Amino acid sequence: QKEVEQNSGPLSVPEGAIASLNCTYSDRVSQSFFWYRQYSGKSPELIMSIYSNGDKEDGRFTAQLNKASQYVSLLIRDSQPSDSATYLCAVTGGRDDKIIFGKGTRLHILP
Amino acid sequence: DGGITQSPKYLFRKEGQNVTLSCEQNLNHDAMYWYRQDPGQGLRLIYYSQIVNDFQKGDIAEGYSVSREKKESFPLTVTSAQKNPTAFYLCASSIDGGRQPQHFGDGTRLSIL
Repeated sequence: QKEVEQNSGPLSVPEGAIASLNCTYSDRVSQSFFWYRQYSGKSPELIMSIYSNGDKEDGRFTAQLNKASQYVSLLIRDSQPSDSATYLCAVTGGRDDKIIFGKGTRLHILP
Repeated sequence: DGGITQSPKYLFRKEGQNVTLSCEQNLNHDAMYWYRQDPGQGLRLIYYSQIVNDFQKGDIAEGYSVSREKKESFPLTVTSAQKNPTAFYLCASSIDGGRQPQHFGDGTRLSIL
């Protein structure tokens, strides 16, 4: 059974600090990795995609991928109260190309 | 603007009734998906379709049915056989169903009367 694991949280981070969200996956041949943000009562919104090892930066967001360790993370710099949401990690491109979602990490930015 | 439109936003089902949730996309995506999300829970895949006139069961297909007669449309019917239908239903699409990300509609919240 292929899995994507995330700490459910809540993760509490002071405003202005760096929030670090982590995700591990079990299918070693996975190729594509995504982070979604989901506000309470709303649908998930794609915020980052990463396909190769290393870091990818987009504004205050940085996605980090380490395929050898089967680990993908999302860093949010200068955290704002508006970043408070659930963050879903998703992985695809494995043996059957099916996308697998983690259950999400709840992030709470403390004003 | 390209996107995924789900309707209605809220839906109420009576005992023994079938209800249909609409999902339309104008992104020219081949693949479409239906997920169910319960409070505080992750996404569970109900059905998916990678091409017109073809669809596959996901992890929790019992009590649900779908059709894919047009590329743009992937309606979900919640049948009376689904005894616990109260949930947030999300429709998504992706370019090719493989290694590309999925994009979501705004969702339909279904409740029992």
